[in-house]
Amino acid sequence: GAGVSQSPSNKVTEKGKDVELRCDPISGHTALYWYRQSLGQGLEFLIYFQGNSAPDKSGLPSDRFSAERTGGSVSTLTIQRTQQEDSAVYLCASSLEGLGSYEQYFGPGTRLTVT
Amino acid sequence: DQQVKQNSPSLSVQEGRISILNCDYTNSMFDYFLWYKKYPAEGPTFLISISSIKDKNEDGRFTVFLNKSAKHLSLHIVPSQPGDSAVYFCAAGGVNEKLTFGTGTRLTIIP
Repeated sequence: GAGVSQSPSNKVTEKGKDVELRCDPISGHTALYWYRQSLGQGLEFLIYFQGNSAPDKSGLPSDRFSAERTGGSVSTLTIQRTQQEDSAVYLCASSLEGLGSYEQYFGPGTRLTVT
Repeated sequence: DQQVKQNSPSLSVQEGRISILNCDYTNSMFDYFLWYKKYPAEGPTFLISISSIKDKNEDGRFTVFLNKSAKHLSLHIVPSQPGDSAVYFCAAGGVNEKLTFGTGTRLTIIP
């Protein structure tokens, strides 16, 4: 079956502009996660959805970052007034159930470059 | 505070020899551990996992060992092959704990 897909694969934007990153999880997966990997860094947790609600937003770096999930499926991560330090690969993952007892399946990521 | 640590950012191993990647954790509530493998420009892919009720899990050339008292797990790859060259992330989670990833170890297999 289809895996997790993300779009766009690459995004170059000017500092101060808003960007939207999209994630399509595996069908039937109730949990969805957003991570960020900056150059030379590990996977930084951003936000977790169980269905359409986000029980854990603790990783969002600032109020410029927001995310939503609709229909228990597609999720959008929005970064407002982008800064150069937002440049990173943004990874989305989904799992059958939530929290940490199930394997997460990752998409290929969106590489964001803020100039 | 880094709850999952991979202290070796990189490791080089001769083809055919054993690769050992290490991971330490601090949260005693973690009871499920995973290893992911990541190639450049791709998302991480699940490799192998182990629950806290076991101390070893084997899948082909890959074996994960868990030492709960030391809060330490390791991934053994034997024999190592050139296609194993990638970044390996360990991750820990549990029923009420979100998955927490280490910073990764870049493994290079030398032909």
